[in-house]
Amino acid sequence: QSVLTQPPSVSGAPGQRVTISCTGSSSNIGAGYDVHWYQQLPGTAPKLLIYDNNDRPSGVPDRFSGSKSGTSASLAITGLQAEDEADYYCQSYDNSLSGSVVFGGGTKLTVL
Amino acid sequence: EVQLVQSGAEVKKPGESLKISCKGSGYSFSNYWIGWVRQMPGKGLEWMGIIYPGDSDTRYTPSFQGQVTISVDKSIRTAYLQWTSLKASDTAMYYCAIKGEPGGGVAGYFDYWGQGTLVTVSS
Repeated sequence: QSVLTQPPSVSGAPGQRVTISCTGSSSNIGAGYDVHWYQQLPGTAPKLLIYDNNDRPSGVPDRFSGSKSGTSASLAITGLQAEDEADYYCQSYDNSLSGSVVFGGGTKLTVL
Repeated sequence: EVQLVQSGAEVKKPGESLKISCKGSGYSFSNYWIGWVRQMPGKGLEWMGIIYPGDSDTRYTPSFQGQVTISVDKSIRTAYLQWTSLKASDTAMYYCAIKGEPGGGVAGYFDYWGQGTLVTVSS
């Protein structure tokens, strides 16, 4: 059971918009800690996609965006492409676990 | 160019010991926290712990405390993850990653990742 809750799967057709939610609590996202998102393509290491809730590292397309409100955060992907099919993870910090980095359980995005 | 290069895949028997490594280059090694992440087959990412090479300050997630040891040798820019007695349930891919900003606390994002080390424990 992950500290941050994500839907196991989402899907969308090419060109569509999808969102992935990440729900936490008052000891992590709700405490003001930033949320970060990673993309993991099959057989590869995770890649930072969004940091500090809504910033994109250099090279990440602006089709990817993040938001945070209260105890939750979301990743939005617009103009869905086949190459976006991957696992997506949210990450934050939790001050109730001896101070620990925490991940969501991951969401598998399928491009139909 | 920032790089984290991990040691190669390992096949071990239950009860054996193991130490895997993560060598950093292209950045100020001592000033960036290095974390370790476990990914069991077909499962999600699990945070294990983190170390600050500058002073070897180490923090473990409770579920991994006492199960593994994280260490660092900053003279050779290398972090380690170690087991004294492996179990079949330790079979997983292990990643190292560096925190995106120097110093500070543990909270933050991880912008560079190693390629992963696959550890297989089987009798």
